[in-house]
Amino acid sequence: DTGVSQDPRHKITKRGQNVTFRCDPISEHNRLYWYRQTLGQGPEFLTYFQNEAQLEKSRLLSDRFSAERPKGSFSTLEIQRTEQGDSAMYLCASSLIGDADTQYFGPGTRLTVL
Amino acid sequence: AQSVTQLGSHVSVSEGALVLLRCNYSSSVPPYLFWYVQYPNQGLQLLLKYTSAATLVKGINGFEAEFKKSETSFHLTKPSAHMSDAAEYFCAVLYGNKLVFGAGTILRVKS
Repeated sequence: DTGVSQDPRHKITKRGQNVTFRCDPISEHNRLYWYRQTLGQGPEFLTYFQNEAQLEKSRLLSDRFSAERPKGSFSTLEIQRTEQGDSAMYLCASSLIGDADTQYFGPGTRLTVL
Repeated sequence: AQSVTQLGSHVSVSEGALVLLRCNYSSSVPPYLFWYVQYPNQGLQLLLKYTSAATLVKGINGFEAEFKKSETSFHLTKPSAHMSDAAEYFCAVLYGNKLVFGAGTILRVKS
């Protein structure tokens, strides 16, 4: 069973550009989460999906951020008009309902906005 | 709301010494608690979890943690540190469907 995968692993962009990240969860995991981790901090919750439905969004997820999980499998996180404050590690996790919501994390996408 | 406090942003131990990383939580309901480890530029790896079964939880790589309700603590221990244990450790509590993390503790292991 492969783990959670994320692509790309690193992204450098200029301020004002749009970026999109992809997450592939562990197969059969019906829940998928996005977190953001800034330097020296623990991860902070952004949003989560159960199958294709986005069930919760954090106030951290401004209107420049959008996440989708169209077929209940992989997910994408898009940031429009990036700002320097968006520089962070974006982590994806997945879990199986009934497993105490134990979340398994991917390697993350490190975003640097110049 | 649930929250997590990790005491000590940096902990340094000698190789072979006891590792003790502290975590206190606040929760209005019986908590689900987790410890994760993060190596540089990598994601989080689950070490162990407490889900209201046994209060002493054993995890991977020789780590264990004890849930103490009276102290609202879930400290992580390992009897003998190894150089490969050097990493950042995060304690987390499940709040609804999301994890709330502490700020992390960086463990340094001296040879």
